Amino acid sequence: AQKVTQAQTEISVVEKEDVTLDCVYETRDTTYYLFWYKQPPSGELVFLIRRNSFDEQNEISGRYSWNFQKSTSSFNFTITASQVVDSAVYFCALRRNNAGNMLTFGGGTRLMVKP
Amino acid sequence: DSGVTQTPKHLITATGQRVTLRCSPRSGDLSVYWYQQSLDQGLQFLIQYYNGEERAKGNILERFSAQQFPDLHSELNLSSLELGDSALYFCASSLRTVSEQFFGPGTRLTVL
Repeated sequence: AQKVTQAQTEISVVEKEDVTLDCVYETRDTTYYLFWYKQPPSGELVFLIRRNSFDEQNEISGRYSWNFQKSTSSFNFTITASQVVDSAVYFCALRRNNAGNMLTFGGGTRLMVKP
Repeated sequence: DSGVTQTPKHLITATGQRVTLRCSPRSGDLSVYWYQQSLDQGLQFLIQYYNGEERAKGNILERFSAQQFPDLHSELNLSSLELGDSALYFCASSLRTVSEQFFGPGTRLTVL
């Protein structure tokens, strides 16, 4: 069975602080994909990143960066110099590499960035 | 804007009723997925269709059914509605089954 755990249910920071959102996953598959999605107050789910299990290189996109560590089954997400617009619920998700493409989501982390 | 459209945006109905949620995937995407987001269950996968055929099933109740039509739009039918079915229902689409999924804005269903 697959499982994604986001232990932080809510994080509150002040603008310009760096913040890391944790994601730990469980799977017996050797090939799988990991994702992060953002859900702003408006409600839609916005795709941020996809990572496959063979690519452990960290990725940076502007103020966003992701740290994938297979040894600890973690795929953490860091926002540098946070802004009020980053306030949202962030979901980590896992997908198997077989027939069917369903995403298994973590419970989400609500990030509140205060001015 | 992801390019996935869902109608209606909001739906309020009573227990025991039946509703239909509609989804149009992004242009060119063959796969459609339905997810339910509720306070107690979080985001859960319901069902996937690929080019008109059911591809995968998740925690979808027997009272719920879905289909994907030849023009690739999809409908999720919810019947004998209960209070606990109140949730945000998302549709997502992807080009192939291994591609990333892009989500629509969701339909918020309230069952009174």
